[in-house]
Amino acid sequence: DQQVKQNSPSLSVQEGRISILNCDYTNSMFDYFLWYKKYPAEGPTFLISISSIKDKNEDGRFTVFLNKSAKHLSLHIVPSQPGDSAVYFCAASVNQGAQKLVFGQGTRLTINP
Amino acid sequence: NAGVTQTPKFQVLKTGQSMTLQCAQDMNHEYMSWYRQDPGMGLRLIHYSVGAGITDQGEVPNGYNVSRSTTEDFPLRLLSAAPSQTSVYFCASSYSGSYGYTFGSGTRLTVV
Repeated sequence: DQQVKQNSPSLSVQEGRISILNCDYTNSMFDYFLWYKKYPAEGPTFLISISSIKDKNEDGRFTVFLNKSAKHLSLHIVPSQPGDSAVYFCAASVNQGAQKLVFGQGTRLTINP
Repeated sequence: NAGVTQTPKFQVLKTGQSMTLQCAQDMNHEYMSWYRQDPGMGLRLIHYSVGAGITDQGEVPNGYNVSRSTTEDFPLRLLSAAPSQTSVYFCASSYSGSYGYTFGSGTRLTVV
């Protein structure tokens, strides 16, 4: 059973516009959420995270929103740039334990010029 | 600073063969983990370690062994390779209490 789900395998956005990537989870024990970005032939790189005690966290062009009642989080990228084209994974952990992350399937974001 | 180094980058095995995927980090991180990435499945945790001498199973441990004799190294052993183990394998490390894992660049394994 997939505890963390990214239901959109791909997303295409015009350069300069907002990109919104979504993630749903089923385990109510998850209390920390992360987004990773992955380019081809490279390992994932950490992007941004949020604790369950918050509903929003910003870092430059990247903002993560958490809706605990809906068990939903989203990553907003504004403005989108060509270098943002990558696969994005959301991940979650229980008891804020970094050692056992549960990942979603990933969403391939393509930024068009 | 090399970060997390995985070797080899590519490997082809025959069914039944054994091999060890190497992972080394030079950041003095306590935590190390192995994940596998399969199409449509995201990354799934195989084994993890919270320090030298301590390992535990993740979501998909069957067919794999690990050991952590030093802080730096965390090798993953395939005991008897099967086609279902064809995947991309990522090693990752982090400080305890940190959530931003540093990943290696991966090992692409094909079992024929």
